[in-house]
Amino acid sequence: SAVISQKPSRDICQRGTSLTIQCQVDSQVTMMFWYRQQPGQSLTLIATANQGSEATYESGFVIDKFPISRPNLTFSTLTVSNMSPEDSSIYLCSVLDGALGTEAFFGQGTRLTVV
Amino acid sequence: RKEVEQDPGPFNVPEGATVAFNCTYSNSASQSFFWYRQDCRKEPKLLMSVYSSGNEDGRFTAQLNRASQYISLLIRDSKLSDSATYLCVVTRAGSARQLTFGSGTQLTVLP
Repeated sequence: SAVISQKPSRDICQRGTSLTIQCQVDSQVTMMFWYRQQPGQSLTLIATANQGSEATYESGFVIDKFPISRPNLTFSTLTVSNMSPEDSSIYLCSVLDGALGTEAFFGQGTRLTVV
Repeated sequence: RKEVEQDPGPFNVPEGATVAFNCTYSNSASQSFFWYRQDCRKEPKLLMSVYSSGNEDGRFTAQLNRASQYISLLIRDSKLSDSATYLCVVTRAGSARQLTFGSGTQLTVLP
């Protein structure tokens, strides 16, 4: 099973600034997924990151606000740009692994508070 | 209509009780179904996959009814450690790799 190291685990940021979240996986994976979990809600997919190509963004999420890098098969970053209090949330990266390749494994999450 | 809808909860049950969670999904073309568990301030973790024939893992039983687009999770003999939020998860139609999460059902098992 994949092990994902995500950092930072939490941060408090000033509005208008940007934060970059990093995820390192202990094995090579084709796709990495970035989710947002707002307080008291479930996970919403932000984008799918493939190595060697631009990330694919879900409706309501744009590259200018959430630029993603995927320089190799074990690493990805998500940047939350020009933050506002509405961006306060938990951000999680995820990969699929397991015997059938269908089990989602998650990083520990980044708890972001924008003030 | 949400793609995946779950019982709103919260469920507060005594130890030893049997509790059932329900979930419906909107897209009949979805192929794979799961229950995930999320502890407070932790990331989600797979509890079990759900198959058409139904499957059981110890005290946990999952059922899928494709005709009704309905998924269930039954927990027997509840333990204090079962307290968590249970997320119904469905693969997106046309994609085996993108997941849609329900809003979750919170369970608290009381001593």
